[in-house]
Amino acid sequence: DGGITQSPKYLFRKEGQNVTLSCEQNLNHDAMYWYRQDPGQGLRLIYYSQIVNDFQKGDIAEGYSVSREKKESFPLTVTSAQKNPTAFYLCATQNGLLSGELFFGEGSRLTVL
Amino acid sequence: QKEVEQNSGPLSVPEGAIASLNCTYSDRGSQSFFWYRQYSGKSPELIMSIYSNGDKEDGRFTAQLNKASQYVSLLIRDSQPSDSATYLCAPKIYNFNKFYFGSGTKLNVKP
Repeated sequence: DGGITQSPKYLFRKEGQNVTLSCEQNLNHDAMYWYRQDPGQGLRLIYYSQIVNDFQKGDIAEGYSVSREKKESFPLTVTSAQKNPTAFYLCATQNGLLSGELFFGEGSRLTVL
Repeated sequence: QKEVEQNSGPLSVPEGAIASLNCTYSDRGSQSFFWYRQYSGKSPELIMSIYSNGDKEDGRFTAQLNKASQYVSLLIRDSQPSDSATYLCAPKIYNFNKFYFGSGTKLNVKP
């Protein structure tokens, strides 16, 4: 099946721990994005990558890190420096660098205990 | 800071009525506009995209764009209970290839 796979769907973390959220796509899309959504709020951009081995900070990059070693993969690490990490994390890809739409994975829900 | 404003709702309409969802944006560099539907606890799914001033129709959905007024809307005709969801407006700035999302309007369609 073609699509965007995020894992895990649910994750619980203790304070002070780093966690990595996986995002894999087989759509052959060049651009990939990470967004964060808090209850009742819109999506806020964390990081995005338009090509392999290159990525840019979004509006709320502090406390997060990413890598883009392969076109298919764009993992997000939530570090202990992120003060309020409990949220719904969404990975998206774009079908065409300049004019294409965003398509989302199913999301990962992170809860810090 | 790029701003995208949507009425949070909830907007309640009876089944079969027309639902009208509105969105204003602050950045005149926005060139493409997208509407996403998000069911509770799920990820957003693309409903409509619009790039030029005017109307664009797709089935029961019509997107309307007025760049001079920095306004984009989504009309849903013959609303169904299955349309009950939060609708997110997302302008995109062409040169920066970044999408900005409004906080969404929650729509309730009552049987």
